[in-house]
Amino acid sequence: QKEVEQNSGPLSVPEGAIASLNCTYSDRGSQSFFWYRQYSGKSPELIMFIYSNGDKEDGRFTAQLNKASQYVSLLIRDSQPSDSATYLCAVNPNTGNQFYFGTGTSLTVIP
Amino acid sequence: GAVVSQHPSRVICKSGTSVKIECRSLDFQATTMFWYRQFPKQSLMLMATSNEGSKATYEQGVEKDKFLINHASLTLSTLTVTSAHPEDSSFYICSARQGARYEQYFGPGTRLTVT
Repeated sequence: QKEVEQNSGPLSVPEGAIASLNCTYSDRGSQSFFWYRQYSGKSPELIMFIYSNGDKEDGRFTAQLNKASQYVSLLIRDSQPSDSATYLCAVNPNTGNQFYFGTGTSLTVIP
Repeated sequence: GAVVSQHPSRVICKSGTSVKIECRSLDFQATTMFWYRQFPKQSLMLMATSNEGSKATYEQGVEKDKFLINHASLTLSTLTVTSAHPEDSSFYICSARQGARYEQYFGPGTRLTVT
């Protein structure tokens, strides 16, 4: 079983819609959760992090964490074509220094 | 957010030569730096984790004698690809972290082409 799992997509949404990206993780003791955006040919860019159960909002982005279900999601409201990218979920387990990355979900926002 | 730089952004070298890539945290002290490799349309692959002043910890399957990592200060880590071969051609990305439970910030990456 992979440490972090994401649906690879591709996920397509029309411009202005809500894009919902999902991620599950296996280490129940994980403490920190991150969402990165990666444009083609570029390195990942941190867009959100969340540590506590519940929702965390930042502009058009909302991260949702449910530790009981070992589930973290990212909602993008009012999706724009510029949001088209691969979104990587990353989890920092309770022990150790490294992050575990999912394989990413490719999002396309259709104008 | 924190800024991490990498140099060079692109490098082309001949087979058998060595290439050094620098990774710097510009506005914070990075206790830990990570080196990743990414092939086209594939996910990030962690190569090694380095803590300042310590030897790097390499992931399984990564040759430590081929990929030399030095983390000499809290703001600088280097990756040297020794005796490069065409199969080493890839996108190498570093990231840096200020400490435990902090987020990881990525450099812009270095595209290496070995001819």
